[in-house]
Amino acid sequence: ETGVTQSPTHLIKTRGQQVTLRCSSQSGHNTVSWYQQALGQGPQFIFQYYREEENGRGNFPPRFSGLQFPNYSSELNVNALELDDSALYLCASSVGPDEQFFGPGTRLTVL
Amino acid sequence: TQLLEQSPQFLSIQEGENLTVYCNSSSVFSSLQWYRQEPGEGPVLLVTVVTGGEVKKLKRLTFQFGDARKDSSLHITAAQPGDTGLYLCAGEDSNYQLIWGAGTKLIIKP
Repeated sequence: ETGVTQSPTHLIKTRGQQVTLRCSSQSGHNTVSWYQQALGQGPQFIFQYYREEENGRGNFPPRFSGLQFPNYSSELNVNALELDDSALYLCASSVGPDEQFFGPGTRLTVL
Repeated sequence: TQLLEQSPQFLSIQEGENLTVYCNSSSVFSSLQWYRQEPGEGPVLLVTVVTGGEVKKLKRLTFQFGDARKDSSLHITAAQPGDTGLYLCAGEDSNYQLIWGAGTKLIIKP
């Protein structure tokens, strides 16, 4: 059974640019949640996708958007990057509201 | 806004000592989860507590959920260097979303 994978592992962007992060969910999982974890902090919920539909959103601006594909993999897109967007972005997959399994994250640095 | 406060933020102790980490909130959660996160990795679930007053044990780790389901504690007995890591608590709200604490960074010195 393949676990949750994320790509890329590291990414450096400059302010104003756009970024796309990718997540492959664990086999059999239909739900993907995205989190932002700033250095020294706990994860902050960005949004969740269930069967290709957004199923809840945290307190993040509209420039954070996402997609879930028919195979339940997912993308997180961030437009107009700001310095404060520098963080570890975590993806977690689950079967509905059951236990979430996390990927290793993508470390985004905005200069 | 629901918040979870963890304490202490940082703890460095000698191997063999005992320790307790706390997770407190003014809000009620349907369940509370404890995770451990290693550098460069995502959080890994240790335990979920659901019932007020519930106590769960995982080898040398003891987890307790408060009677009112607003707080929780993690107690480690005879800590070992392998216990080093970031311990996070997360409460599940009524929409099944996780509200996270800021974490306790634990270092166990040999």
